[in-house]
Amino acid sequence: ETGVTQSPTHLIKTRGQQVTLRCSSQSGHNTVSWYQQALGQGPQFIFQYYREEENGRGNFPPRFSGLQFPNYSSELNVNALELDDSALYLCASSLGLGKETQYFGPGTRLLVL
Amino acid sequence: AQSVTQLGSHVSVSEGALVLLRCNYSSSVPPYLFWYVQYPNQGLQLLLKYTSAATLVKGINGFEAEFKKSETSFHLTKPSAHMSDAAEYFCAVIHSGGYQKVTFGTGTKLQVIP
Repeated sequence: ETGVTQSPTHLIKTRGQQVTLRCSSQSGHNTVSWYQQALGQGPQFIFQYYREEENGRGNFPPRFSGLQFPNYSSELNVNALELDDSALYLCASSLGLGKETQYFGPGTRLLVL
Repeated sequence: AQSVTQLGSHVSVSEGALVLLRCNYSSSVPPYLFWYVQYPNQGLQLLLKYTSAATLVKGINGFEAEFKKSETSFHLTKPSAHMSDAAEYFCAVIHSGGYQKVTFGTGTKLQVIP
């Protein structure tokens, strides 16, 4: 059974650019959630995808968007990057929308210059 | 709204000493609570979870946590610290109502002194 994987592991962008981060969910999981973890902080919920539809969103602006594909893998897109977007972006997968455990990937470290 | 509060952003213990990391929750409904560990430059790994089946929950790597409703606490303990336990620990609560969202505490960095 494969765990949650994310790519790339590290990324450097400049302010104003756009970035796409990718996540493959754990086998059998149909729900993917994305979190932003700034340095020295706990992860903050960005949004969640369930069966290819956005199913919940945290306090993040619309320039943060995403997709979920039929195989339940997911992308996080961030437009018009700002310096404060520099963070570790974590993807988590789970089965369904109940209180099942979310399993996290290793994260993508994004640096915006 | 459900939330968790972790007391102490940094905790230092000697190798072999008791580890105690504190977490208090706020919830109007019975919470589902988790402890995750994050090693440097890595993602989050699940240590243990409380789902109301038993108040004392055993996790991986010798950690356990006890759910105390009267104290609204879910503290993480380990009888004897090992150097490999040095990491950041996050307490978290999961919401479920239309969508599933995990709210994390601010984290406690554990240092183990040889």
